[in-house]
Amino acid sequence: AQRVTQPEKLLSVFKGAPVELKCNYSYSGSPELFWYVQYSRQRLQLLLRHISRESIKGFTADLNKGETSFHLKKPFAQEEDSAMYYCALSGPGGGSQGNLIFGKGTKLSVKP
Amino acid sequence: ETGVTQSPTHLIKTRGQQVTLRCSSQSGHNTVSWYQQALGQGPQFIFQYYREEENGRGNFPPRFSGLQFPNYSSELNVNALELDDSALYLCASSFLPYEQYFGPGTRLTVT
Repeated sequence: AQRVTQPEKLLSVFKGAPVELKCNYSYSGSPELFWYVQYSRQRLQLLLRHISRESIKGFTADLNKGETSFHLKKPFAQEEDSAMYYCALSGPGGGSQGNLIFGKGTKLSVKP
Repeated sequence: ETGVTQSPTHLIKTRGQQVTLRCSSQSGHNTVSWYQQALGQGPQFIFQYYREEENGRGNFPPRFSGLQFPNYSSELNVNALELDDSALYLCASSFLPYEQYFGPGTRLTVT
């Protein structure tokens, strides 16, 4: 079955420290993977997708098919990065636009 | 450009009742997806509508149904409400594949 696992419910770091939010997936085929972010009192929004290979707000994520991972990284965390982060996989059965399979999320807290 | 809007913001229903949630898609988007997010969980895909037709469905029973209108707005209907249906219901609209824009959600409480 297609699944996304985010092993950490909460990750707490100090400002300026490196951050790595872990995401592992199981999927039979070539996955599309995404990171979504939800800041306090805001709606869920797309942060980045692996196919675009972009760096957004200093975050990057590399798809490792061997380890079936898509970890989100940032070299120097900022307080404004504090938010809930969800890893998502585009799964089958969702039609031409694709449905998303989400992990349970990791809450990132960046302390001053 | 108007973003995705949902109504109502929250509501309380009794077990066994029926509920209708509404979503207005972002301008120019022709696809609407609905998700259920239980407390402490990630969003779970319910179904998707593309040009007024159901275009994919997750693992939800038939008492979850939907509609999409010619202006691409959408409704989610849930019949015979159960306590476990209490959740945040998210609507997302899209035009390009996989670039889904989410609404603020409707918080449903079933007592």
